[in-house]
Amino acid sequence: EDKVVQSPLSLVVHEGDTVTLNCSYEVTNFRSLLWYKQEKKAPTFLFMLTSSGIEKKSGRLSSILDKKELFSILNITATQTGDSAIYLCAAPSAGSYQLTFGKGTKLSVIP
Amino acid sequence: DVKVTQSSRYLVKRTGEKVFLECVQDMDHENMFWYRQDPGLGLRLIYFSYDVKMKEKGDIPEGYSVSREKKERFSLILESASTNQTSMYLCASSLWSATNEKLFFGSGTQLSVL
Repeated sequence: EDKVVQSPLSLVVHEGDTVTLNCSYEVTNFRSLLWYKQEKKAPTFLFMLTSSGIEKKSGRLSSILDKKELFSILNITATQTGDSAIYLCAAPSAGSYQLTFGKGTKLSVIP
Repeated sequence: DVKVTQSSRYLVKRTGEKVFLECVQDMDHENMFWYRQDPGLGLRLIYFSYDVKMKEKGDIPEGYSVSREKKERFSLILESASTNQTSMYLCASSLWSATNEKLFFGSGTQLSVL
């Protein structure tokens, strides 16, 4: 059974801090790993990672994949209150287009 | 921009009622999905569909059925709602592609069964 595990499950930081969110996976015939941000409503796509060691970056957010150790991290630098959200990590199941999601990390950024 | 629209943002139903949750996407995506999201349990797949009239069970299909009569519309049906089906329901769609697993989500329907 495919498994995606995120840690920590929740995190409280102050504005300006840098945070690292973790995602480990056990997926048969791994193809990719995806990160989503969920505020009050629909999860929105952040990154899709397929190659080990190549960092994807968007503004203050970046993510990297380690296919040897089977994990990914999502970094957020200089956090802002608008970064408060649930961050979801997911991987496609073998031979399917459905995603297996982790339970998410709830990030709270306080002023 | 891809748009996935769920018909209701909030819904309150009584135990035993038949409930329909509707989802429409405007990007001609082949794949459509229904997830439920509960605190501490994350997103769990209920059903998905990869074509009109085709459906596959996800991880937690019990108590639910689905309908996909048109490509753009995927309905989730609770035949006889129960209190343990109180949850946030998220619809999503994606292209049929081996290199693109990106899901586009609707805004969710918060269902309360009393």
